[in-house]
Amino acid sequence: DGGITQSPKYLFRKEGQNVTLSCEQNLNHDAMYWYRQDPGQGLRLIYYSQIVNDFQKGDIAEGYSVSREKKESFPLTVTSAQKNPTAFYLCASSIEPPPGGGETQYFGPGTRLLVL
Amino acid sequence: AQTVTQSQPEMSVQEAETVTLSCTYDTSESDYYLFWYKQPPSRQMILVIRQEAYKQQNATENRFSVNFQKAAKSFSLKISDSQLGDAAMYFCAKSSGDKLTFGTGTRLAVRP
Repeated sequence: DGGITQSPKYLFRKEGQNVTLSCEQNLNHDAMYWYRQDPGQGLRLIYYSQIVNDFQKGDIAEGYSVSREKKESFPLTVTSAQKNPTAFYLCASSIEPPPGGGETQYFGPGTRLLVL
Repeated sequence: AQTVTQSQPEMSVQEAETVTLSCTYDTSESDYYLFWYKQPPSRQMILVIRQEAYKQQNATENRFSVNFQKAAKSFSLKISDSQLGDAAMYFCAKSSGDKLTFGTGTRLAVRP
């Protein structure tokens, strides 16, 4: 049963703490993405990766870090430098986009991050 | 920066009726892709329909169809025979290279 899993479903962060959100896919997709969703706003791109051991910053990368050591996994770390981390985080994947883009992105169920 | 605008924060439709959600976008590209995603209360994003800009024919998927007006940079979603399960947030998105830019969404309520 192929799909994208994210864990945990809820995550609580204390001030000054780094936390890591997990994203795993078994769709054999090359590209993976992290988005942040705030109330009243659409999804905003944090980081994306088209291939193992390579990733690019999106529109709101400050205060976040990622790694792509395996094709199936793309964890996101919310660092203490992210001053307003409370949001819903969505991971997505797609087959390798051609130069013009356009491949459909498939999403995981999301992780809600709350600050204590 | 690319922008995608959904000017209707909320819409309501009677069950079995038809509703149209609006989306406009800004681009200087000639070739790109447009998407409508649905986000139900579970919050998982689900693809509804995809349109390739170089195709003049409007995409359809069962009860869902689009009205794509390339010159006007408009990409509206029509839902026919609305069902209670259609109640959700709907997001319009546009590709730019290998990235997507999303609108702010339209919340659709379906009245029984």
